Amino acid sequence: QVQLVQSGAEVKKPGASVKVSCKASGYSFTGYYMHWVRQAPGQGLEWMGRINPNSGGTNYAQKFQGRVTMTRDTSISTAYMELSRLRSDDTAVYYCAREANWGSSWFDPWGQGTLVTVSS
Amino acid sequence: DIQMTQSPSTLSASVGDRVTITCRASQSISSWLAWYQQKPGKAPKPLIYKASSLESGVPSRFSGSGSGTEFTLTISSLQPDDFATYYCQQYNDYPVTFGGGTKVEIK
Repeated sequence: QVQLVQSGAEVKKPGASVKVSCKASGYSFTGYYMHWVRQAPGQGLEWMGRINPNSGGTNYAQKFQGRVTMTRDTSISTAYMELSRLRSDDTAVYYCAREANWGSSWFDPWGQGTLVTVSS
Repeated sequence: DIQMTQSPSTLSASVGDRVTITCRASQSISSWLAWYQQKPGKAPKPLIYKASSLESGVPSRFSGSGSGTEFTLTISSLQPDDFATYYCQQYNDYPVTFGGGTKVEIK
């Protein structure tokens, strides 16, 4: 079945970087955009950006431009999201989510989420 | 950016009730709207896409309607498993944006 499995929880200090991985299985990895969405504790969902696993092309939300980098390794069907210059308000659960259909940006499935805690 | 406004933010209901959640877009998004259900500690689960299409495996008590700027998610007869938070999401334009969520609580 189609599945996204993310890396484990991280604790980082302010100013550091974090890199979260998302391993895909059950479908052609290069056939669907992969998106990243985050959710701060008790808050709503916030879209961060997307990557085309085929070309490596990316689109980032303006809020994260300059701090986020999305990459992929097609040999192991894995997408990555790296966020730099971490602040306390970056504490959140980070989800990868596959575009349900090419060109139709609703998301199915989602990864299980990775909690990133930023604390001194 | 397109702003998505959900109402109410919290809803108290009983098992068997008919429940309606509203989502308004700050500009027309045609029918490019999805609805998700999220339970504590879990990832969102898609329920509805393209405003009214039911995702495979989702019970038929869930339905979506609307187009343009006004959308609704209806649960025809609330079940114990439906107590959760619901989010709408527009995908007409980038950045993709979500509503603030509606928490459905037990009355």
